[in-house]
Amino acid sequence: DTAVSQTPKYLVTQMGNDKSIKCEQNLGHDTMYWYKQDSKKFLKIMFSYNNKELIINETVPNRFSPKSPDKAHLNLHINSLELGDSAVYFCASSQDQRDGSYEQYFGPGTRLTVT
Amino acid sequence: SQQGEEDPQALSIQEGENATMNCSYKTSINNLQWYRQNSGRGLVHLILIRSNEREKHSGRLRVTLDTSKKSSSLLITASRAADTASYFCATSETSGSRLTFGEGTQLTVNP
Repeated sequence: DTAVSQTPKYLVTQMGNDKSIKCEQNLGHDTMYWYKQDSKKFLKIMFSYNNKELIINETVPNRFSPKSPDKAHLNLHINSLELGDSAVYFCASSQDQRDGSYEQYFGPGTRLTVT
Repeated sequence: SQQGEEDPQALSIQEGENATMNCSYKTSINNLQWYRQNSGRGLVHLILIRSNEREKHSGRLRVTLDTSKKSSSLLITASRAADTASYFCATSETSGSRLTFGEGTQLTVNP
């Protein structure tokens, strides 16, 4: 069984469109994350939720909005897509991460290409 | 600003050799973690070393941590072609709850 799953795996869309990426974890973890990995493989955190509460909100454009309907799901909605949004987006989860003590489990990634 | 910097950026070795990757960081940490990323895949956790630990082993992996130098190393012994991947260090700072990832080392193990 997949621990952290993301859909879709690939997403190709045009500038200006709105798209969503879904993430689910079946590990019973309290904390979930969204990361962006650029073409140079640099991985940067975007958001983190602990038990449906937003705890990390990095400086990302307002066009990015996370939504956590329950602690097993953290979806990412992106409005008005731009060329610079092209990247691989990873969802991850961990036990309570309020002090950074736990390993994170990553999903397979969603490769977003904006044309 | 980015917390971790890894060295080297790329490493190519022959199967059976040992591979050593280094990570330096800037602030006080709770722990340091190493992750592996195979091409086109998500990151996989390898090992976590806490700030009060100096060395940790897991199978063919050996991690050291020197908090006075703010550096860590990952040693993979008797490397295999399947070890080919990118390796990232990630630090958990004492002041926060996030992990900050380094730039990664691309390891290629030639059969």
